[in-house]
Amino acid sequence: NAGVTQTPKFQVLKTGQSMTLQCAQDMNHEYMSWYRQDPGMGLRLIHYSVGAGITDQGEVPNGYNVSRSTTEDFPLRLLSAAPSQTSVYFCASSYSLSSLGYEQYFGPGTRLTVT
Amino acid sequence: AQRVTQPEKLLSVFKGAPVELKCNYSYSGSPELFWYVQYSRQRLQLLLRHISRESIKGFTADLNKGETSFHLKKPFAQEEDSAMYYCAPLRGGSNYKLTFGKGTLLTVNP
Repeated sequence: NAGVTQTPKFQVLKTGQSMTLQCAQDMNHEYMSWYRQDPGMGLRLIHYSVGAGITDQGEVPNGYNVSRSTTEDFPLRLLSAAPSQTSVYFCASSYSLSSLGYEQYFGPGTRLTVT
Repeated sequence: AQRVTQPEKLLSVFKGAPVELKCNYSYSGSPELFWYVQYSRQRLQLLLRHISRESIKGFTADLNKGETSFHLKKPFAQEEDSAMYYCAPLRGGSNYKLTFGKGTLLTVNP
């Protein structure tokens, strides 16, 4: 049971390049989300999904696309990278949407630098 | 606007001293509240949740609905408690989105 995995761990992009950050979980969790972590800003929700085929926007969705074709995978796409997207990106998943059993499991993060 | 506030970016205490990390929220209804922790070079993980009324690693958190606060406390801090702590309210209903405060970096000095 690998939990939540993210690839790559580190990435450097030039402005305007595109790339996909991969996220996978093997816990059969329905709920998955992407956050970015910036100094002094905490974690901000980018996009989330409550199940395969269903996605929605979080607080800071501009510049990012997501899709959820399977329960296991939730990739985050940067269509045209900008320096403002330099950040650490975390993927998370949860097995329950009810608050009683709610716990988000986080991946190790991807550190992205856009020059 | 719904908001969670952690007023201290940095908090430094000595080993054995009490520590309190503050969290205030302004949410309609009664959100569930959580504390997450990120130790150096580790991934973010759940520390404790209000609904469980639990004590984890000596930490407790009391929900004060009148003050809309959910402060995290520990009577005797240890060096291994040094980490970034995030308060996170979860709003229920049709919109299950976990929102994080900006975090407090706790440093416990020897």
